[in-house]
Amino acid sequence: GESVGLHLPTLSVQEGDNSIINCAYSNSASDYFIWYKQESGKGPQFIIDIRSNMDKRQGQRVTVLLNKTVKHLSLQIAATQPGDSAVYFCAENKFSQFYFGTGTSLTVIP
Amino acid sequence: DAGVIQSPRHEVTEMGQEVTLRCKPISGHNSLFWYRQTMMRGLELLIYFNNNVPIDDSGMPEDRFSAKMPNASFSTLKIQPSEPRDSAVYFCASSFRDRGEKLFFGSGTQLSVL
Repeated sequence: GESVGLHLPTLSVQEGDNSIINCAYSNSASDYFIWYKQESGKGPQFIIDIRSNMDKRQGQRVTVLLNKTVKHLSLQIAATQPGDSAVYFCAENKFSQFYFGTGTSLTVIP
Repeated sequence: DAGVIQSPRHEVTEMGQEVTLRCKPISGHNSLFWYRQTMMRGLELLIYFNNNVPIDDSGMPEDRFSAKMPNASFSTLKIQPSEPRDSAVYFCASSFRDRGEKLFFGSGTQLSVL
């Protein structure tokens, strides 16, 4: 069946370092991927997306990499800040439905 | 744009009571999704609507759960009767499906069934 899973449930990084959060997806038919950030008590917020015809996309301090060969997605956060502490979810879109991973908790150490 | 609006933010009820969660999607969006989030199962899709029509309700756990979308600006998720295992955060999200656009989430309803 379809599943989206994260390799690391928790991640701690020093402020100023770069963070990398990984995600594996199982469905080759998925054509659109999104990373969401969820802070405590809030709904998931869009960070960055990428379509399957791309392998890299950059935003402000964030980069998403897509490796379709191994069905792997990663989110890179440059110069991680305390405000980046949150749970990060990857989501894959197939047939207009989004399937979410279980999330990775990122803690930034000042 | 006010974003996706959900109410109530918190709901505490007793087992057996009816619970109704409400959602107002972003104006112009034609798809609406209800998700449930728990520590054990993460974000689960319960049901989604396109142009006010339920497309896939396979995620609705039991007949106790029902959802409606009477118009493009309002949807409800009802649980009757509620049980303690229904305790979770329920999120509503909307998107413009035809452009394959991202989901925008509401702030969620924290439901506690005692």
